[in-house]
Amino acid sequence: EVQLVQSGPEVKKPGESLKISCKGSGYSFTNYWIGWVRQMPGKGLEWMGIIYPGDSDTRYSPSFQGQVTISADKSNSTAYLQWSSLKASDTAMYYCARRGPVDYIGGSYYYSGLDVWGQGTTVTVSS
Amino acid sequence: SYELTQPVSVSVALGQTARITCGRNNIGSKNVHWYQQKPGQAPVRVIYRDNNRPSGIPERFSGSNSGNTATLTISRAQAGDEADYYCQVWDSSTHNYVFGTGTKVTVL
Repeated sequence: EVQLVQSGPEVKKPGESLKISCKGSGYSFTNYWIGWVRQMPGKGLEWMGIIYPGDSDTRYSPSFQGQVTISADKSNSTAYLQWSSLKASDTAMYYCARRGPVDYIGGSYYYSGLDVWGQGTTVTVSS
Repeated sequence: SYELTQPVSVSVALGQTARITCGRNNIGSKNVHWYQQKPGQAPVRVIYRDNNRPSGIPERFSGSNSGNTATLTISRAQAGDEADYYCQVWDSSTHNYVFGTGTKVTVL
């Protein structure tokens, strides 16, 4: 079974650092991009960025560039999202998700969306 | 940058048809994906590439995409379809996904 399993809930103080994880299983981890999505309390889904574990190619949403770091350890089939100095406004649920296959047909790319999601990691930042 | 506009809420009578729109200039040129999120749960993909259903998703869910509007249609709506729904596209210029603003579907 293809799965993404995320690390447990976190409670931190402003200014602290944090690294949460997303472990893939049941598929070739290095061959699929892994993205991160933020959902603040009572709000919608926000795209943060994406990493290709095969070569660690990483792209960030402009809204999150410089605010977080996305990384991956292919030997452990695990992707990470980290903060160097948390703020109260980082309080949210964070999801990792696998980008599904991309097909190249007749000169065009066909994307599949995010086909597998982790269960989410709650991050609470409060003094 | 991309913005995908969805209605805040849609109400549908039990057994009737709900239509959720996702608007953006020339969205018809993009692959649109749709996600369902029930309270306290992770999102689930219900439509990909405009009109494809993943395995396990009921045939009651369908999608279309043309011009400036993509649409998710829920036929014969059930109480279990109550959820938030999000559209999404891939912005190849920035190598990032963009989510719609989200629509809360209520089954009356």
